[in-house]
Amino acid sequence: GESVGLHLPTLSVQEGDNSIINCAYSNSASDYFIWYKQESGKGPQFIIDIRSNMDKRQGQRVTVLLNKTVKHLSLQIAATQPGDSAVYFCAENHGNNRLAFGKGNQVVVIP
Amino acid sequence: DTGVSQNPRHKITKRGQNVTFRCDPISEHNRLYWYRQTLGQGPEFLTYFQNEAQLEKSRLLSDRFSAERPKGSFSTLEIQRTEQGDSAMYLCASSLGSSNSPLHFGNGTRLTVT
Repeated sequence: GESVGLHLPTLSVQEGDNSIINCAYSNSASDYFIWYKQESGKGPQFIIDIRSNMDKRQGQRVTVLLNKTVKHLSLQIAATQPGDSAVYFCAENHGNNRLAFGKGNQVVVIP
Repeated sequence: DTGVSQNPRHKITKRGQNVTFRCDPISEHNRLYWYRQTLGQGPEFLTYFQNEAQLEKSRLLSDRFSAERPKGSFSTLEIQRTEQGDSAMYLCASSLGSSNSPLHFGNGTRLTVT
């Protein structure tokens, strides 16, 4: 069936470097995508979203890129900090905020 | 704190017992969602409400599960005759009514069925 998935299970990054997390989706009709950050023992925290009529959106230290041609989504985190260590999920809206999440990508920031 | 609030944070119960969880959404949000998350996986959609109306239920929501939102504000999720496979994190989220408004999640209720 349609699904959202992540390429890399774990990303180790040096503090201060940039991080890139990738995500592939298979439903070409999807029109809304969201990145969430989840720390241990907490619920997913909204980071940034993007609609399918855009290919790039920037927030504070984060950028989401959407490539509809290859159905690929990425999250870039600039100047990664220890507080960025978490599991990151991309999610695809299947309508009415019925989100389909991938398995998650662990980011470990090395001080 | 104006975020989504869930109680209890943790619940340990014996197989066969009933449990009930509560969610208080962000006050101006008219949509409320329940998701379930198992270890190492992303959250899975269970059901959602628009105000007090339950508009959709996932196939994951067996007959033993029931959710209510009687006054369109807080919601409860009850699991009857719990099974070990029900052990998971139960997440509540809320959003504004438009279809592409981001979901804001609570910190969940961790259920362990022994």
